[in-house]
Amino acid sequence: DAGVIQSPRHEVTEMGQEVTLRCKPISGHDYLFWYRQTMMRGLELLIYFNNNVPIDDSGMPEDRFSAKMPNASFSTLKIQPSEPRDSAVYFCASSTLGTGISYNEQFFGPGTRLTVL
Amino acid sequence: QKEVEQNSGPLSVPEGAIASLNCTYSDRVSQSFFWYRQYSGKSPELIMSIYSNGDKEDGRFTAQLNKASQYVSLLIRDSQPSDSATYLCAARSGAGSYQLTFGKGTKLSVIP
Repeated sequence: DAGVIQSPRHEVTEMGQEVTLRCKPISGHDYLFWYRQTMMRGLELLIYFNNNVPIDDSGMPEDRFSAKMPNASFSTLKIQPSEPRDSAVYFCASSTLGTGISYNEQFFGPGTRLTVL
Repeated sequence: QKEVEQNSGPLSVPEGAIASLNCTYSDRVSQSFFWYRQYSGKSPELIMSIYSNGDKEDGRFTAQLNKASQYVSLLIRDSQPSDSATYLCAARSGAGSYQLTFGKGTKLSVIP
């Protein structure tokens, strides 16, 4: 399996521009998570999907952030307009629910390092 | 608000020693706990999970859970320089919850 795939790996943009981050989860996984990681705040959950449906977006910082999952193999996280404080590493992770509480291990993609100038 | 607290470190141990990493959590209904390892510039990688009070061993790694004290730890025996990384502790509330709350991580340095 190729694992979770994210693109681009690095993105440098100017304040005010639209940024779109992409994620392809592991085939067969029905949960997809978007995280943001900074030195100050650590790893924060932004939003997660189950079977392509957004379940909890309470971590999305502002209306400038939006996420979609049009099908089981693709998700996007969009920031419009971008601001310097959005600079961070954005991770996508996927998992599948097994039986009991011993499953739902989350597998992380390589991340997208976003720099907003 | 659910919180997971870790000492940010850095924690330095000599090669071959035991490294002890600690984590506390605030949500009493948390049931599942995970340790992720993150090398610099890389993504988090799951190394241990624990759900019941007591110890769970996997190779050189031992996870310990004490739900009464809301405390989780990770012991790394015979530490190697390749163990140098940031270790993230995460908690999941219950069988109906699929979200993880992460601590900010402890940076471990194993000195040759």
